[in-house]
Amino acid sequence: GGIITQTPKFLIGQEGQKLTLKCQQNFNHDTMYWYRQDSGKGLRLIYYSITENDLQKGDLSEGYDASREKKSSFSLTVTSAQKNEMAVFLCASSRTQDTQYFGPGTRLLVL
Amino acid sequence: GEKVEQHESTLSVREGDSAVINCTYTDTASSYFPWYKQEAGKSLHFVIDIRSNVDRKQSQRLIVLLDKKAKRFSLHITATQPEDSAIYFCAASDGGNYKYVFGAGTRLKVIA
Repeated sequence: GGIITQTPKFLIGQEGQKLTLKCQQNFNHDTMYWYRQDSGKGLRLIYYSITENDLQKGDLSEGYDASREKKSSFSLTVTSAQKNEMAVFLCASSRTQDTQYFGPGTRLLVL
Repeated sequence: GEKVEQHESTLSVREGDSAVINCTYTDTASSYFPWYKQEAGKSLHFVIDIRSNVDRKQSQRLIVLLDKKAKRFSLHITATQPEDSAIYFCAASDGGNYKYVFGAGTRLKVIA
């Protein structure tokens, strides 16, 4: 077994601020993902990474940057937070092309 | 690109009855179909999956059916219990590009 941790659990930001979310996994999985979940909607893929230092854009990458510093960690940056934005950001990891396992999420609120 | 439609946004069943959640997809290349459960305030928890080389898979009270011709797959929860109450998400992937496309979710309520 393994675990995915996301920090912080809650993030409150100001409009225009750059905000960074972090994800760590100890599954030794190759691939990691960042999704955004808006209330009442499914998940949308922001970025994914199939190995250390690799980055692939998802459908929702505009307004975000990502960084895969090492195999176990994957960071997401909101480059300029939008006023009244409220969403949950979920990190996931998987072995190559296998089932994805999700972290507990970071809840973002922008004032 | 792939689109996944989850047909029931909400579903209420009595404890002990069966619940069925239906999803359809558009891309014939999709070959992997996972299901996830999200309890209130929590993250997604993998529950069961099916690959396109089979049309039925069962894990305890969960059954997944896949109809490739109709591009439809469904989750059946038998003998429902109150702890089955949650939002269930279906997803589809072509298995080759790492991407899942998710449905919008079905909120299942099991009434005791």
